[in-house]
Amino acid sequence: NAGVTQTPKFRVLKTGQSMTLLCAQDMNHEYMYWYRQDPGMGLRLIHYSVGEGTTAKGEVPDGYNVSRLKKQNFLLGLESAAPSQTSVYFCASSAPRLAAYEQYFGPGTRLTVT
Amino acid sequence: AQSVTQLDSQVPVFEEAPVELRCNYSSSVSVYLFWYVQYPNQGLQLLLKYLSGSTLVKGINGFEAEFNKSQTSFHLRKPSVHISDTAEYFCAVSGGGGQGAQKLVFGQGTRLTINP
Repeated sequence: NAGVTQTPKFRVLKTGQSMTLLCAQDMNHEYMYWYRQDPGMGLRLIHYSVGEGTTAKGEVPDGYNVSRLKKQNFLLGLESAAPSQTSVYFCASSAPRLAAYEQYFGPGTRLTVT
Repeated sequence: AQSVTQLDSQVPVFEEAPVELRCNYSSSVSVYLFWYVQYPNQGLQLLLKYLSGSTLVKGINGFEAEFNKSQTSFHLRKPSVHISDTAEYFCAVSGGGGQGAQKLVFGQGTRLTINP
């Protein structure tokens, strides 16, 4: 049982390049989330999904897109990266009926945009 | 909408001393409250949570927190810290029931440093 995994662990992009971050969970959780973590700002919710095929905007969605084609995967895309998107990105999942609102986090992806 | 304020960005403590990390929240609805810990270069791990019932909540690694509705606080405490408690601690709130309960709002984090 790997829990929540994220690919890649590190990435450096040039301004304007695109990339996709992959999150996978093997706990059969319904809900999945993408956060970004910046110094002094805690974690901020980018997008989330309450089930396969559904997504919704969080607090800071601009410049990002997401897809949830399979229940176990949640993809975060950056179409045209900007230096302001330099951050550590965390994926999380939860099962409302089982784990009483606890979110399980992946190890993070450190992204640098130059 | 909910918000969370962690009153200290950094807390240095000597080993075996007690520690309190302060968290205040604001919300117009009933809330669920959480403390997460992040060890260096790792993801977040749940320490403890308050959903309902007893206002004193015990978590892992000897931590506990007390929910105070009148003061809208959820401070984290440990009576005697260890070097291994060095980490960043995040307080988080979610809004009551339904899908809102699944959206966490985090505080800015408190970096706890334990000195020998």
